[in-house]
Amino acid sequence: EVQLVESGGGLVQPGGSLRLSCAASGFTFSTFWMYWVRQTPGKGLEYVASIKEDGSEKYYVDSVKGRFTISRDNAKNSLYLQMSSLRDEDTAVYYCVRDFSSGWYLEYWGQGTLVTVSS
Amino acid sequence: EIVLTQSPATLSLSPGERATLSCRASQSVRNYLGWYQQKPGQAPRLLIYDISKRATGIPARFSGSGSATDFTLTISSLEPEDFAVYYCQQFTNWPLFGQGTKLEI
Repeated sequence: EVQLVESGGGLVQPGGSLRLSCAASGFTFSTFWMYWVRQTPGKGLEYVASIKEDGSEKYYVDSVKGRFTISRDNAKNSLYLQMSSLRDEDTAVYYCVRDFSSGWYLEYWGQGTLVTVSS
Repeated sequence: EIVLTQSPATLSLSPGERATLSCRASQSVRNYLGWYQQKPGQAPRLLIYDISKRATGIPARFSGSGSATDFTLTISSLEPEDFAVYYCQQFTNWPLFGQGTKLEI
């Protein structure tokens, strides 16, 4: 059974940093693209970042470029999102998501971790 | 950048009725159009991919259709567990979602 378990969310002040982690199990982690997707009541579902199977390619939505870094450790079956210079608008539930087997879609989602940016 | 517009924002129906949800793209998305279901407190679940293919374990009452810029998710006969929010999604350089349609009783 595929499982994705996020951790690391919480309350952080504007300008602060936070590191999200995602522990993956039930599939060969090193053979799938992985994503971070966030959700807010106002903006709905929003792609944040993605990383290739071997970590050689990384992509970000414009609003987080230069502030967020996605990474992975295939030996530990883990995905990470380092977030810095956090803003109020980064407040959201962050999901760790696995790519569909043939790409293009998001097949397995974690339960999400809430990040709240507030003073 | 492609924009996905879903309609209606809210759809009120009763169990047993047929639901038709629309997703319109601002430009052609080829065949890469998917649909997700999200229930309160849960993560989204992939229902449909490549416009009309059902994901693993998705009941046959869910079907997708359309082409180029206009797409439809149809639920043939609503079950109580189908009342949820539905999102369409396309993929050009990255996943992009519509704003959602809330299907309510």
